Amino acid sequence: GDSVTQMEGPVTLSEEAFLTINCTYTATGYPSLFWYVQYPGEGLQLLLKATKADDKGSNKGFEATYRKETTSFHLEKGSVQVSDSAVYFCALPTDSWGKLQFGAGTQVVVTP
Amino acid sequence: DGGITQSPKYLFRKEGQNVTLSCEQNLNHDAMYWYRQDPGQGLRLIYYSQIVNDFQKGDIAEGYSVSREKKESFPLTVTSAQKNPTAFYLCASSLGQRRTLSGANVLTFGAGSRLTVL
Repeated sequence: GDSVTQMEGPVTLSEEAFLTINCTYTATGYPSLFWYVQYPGEGLQLLLKATKADDKGSNKGFEATYRKETTSFHLEKGSVQVSDSAVYFCALPTDSWGKLQFGAGTQVVVTP
Repeated sequence: DGGITQSPKYLFRKEGQNVTLSCEQNLNHDAMYWYRQDPGQGLRLIYYSQIVNDFQKGDIAEGYSVSREKKESFPLTVTSAQKNPTAFYLCASSLGQRRTLSGANVLTFGAGSRLTVL
């Protein structure tokens, strides 16, 4: 079945460092792909999305490129801030209604 | 502003008791979902509903029940049959078949309810 695998955390970085979180997927066809972010004690928020192969999603300085050749959707940010400390989830839909399969989540901790 | 409201935010329950978590949305979304989150395990789907008066089991439905009598509401009952109910519960909704123009069906989440069994 469709699945998402993302790198384990926690990932600990200093402020202004470069962040990469790896995400690979297994799916039939070319589904949309999503990154969600969860700040401490809160629900999930959509961070960015890509709806087709080679699309680049971007938001709040984060970027991810949908690469069908490597079945990947890695999340990157060039210079992280303490406020980026959160758990990040990669996800893909498993039906046309919106049901999502999530990766296990990657906790990111940014220190001053 | 439209959104999803979950209540209560924190709930404590004694073993053997049923509890009901509320989820209300004013986004006019057709589909609603309940996910369970445990530390280090990501999100697992409990139940989902695509239209009023219809719902489907997700991956971990045992020990839970839901109803969808109104489009706006999708309450989750955690029954005494659920062996390990302590967790963070997240409700979400989506347009369902009426997708956005981009074709991507985005889930909108509530702030969550944390249930602790004493």
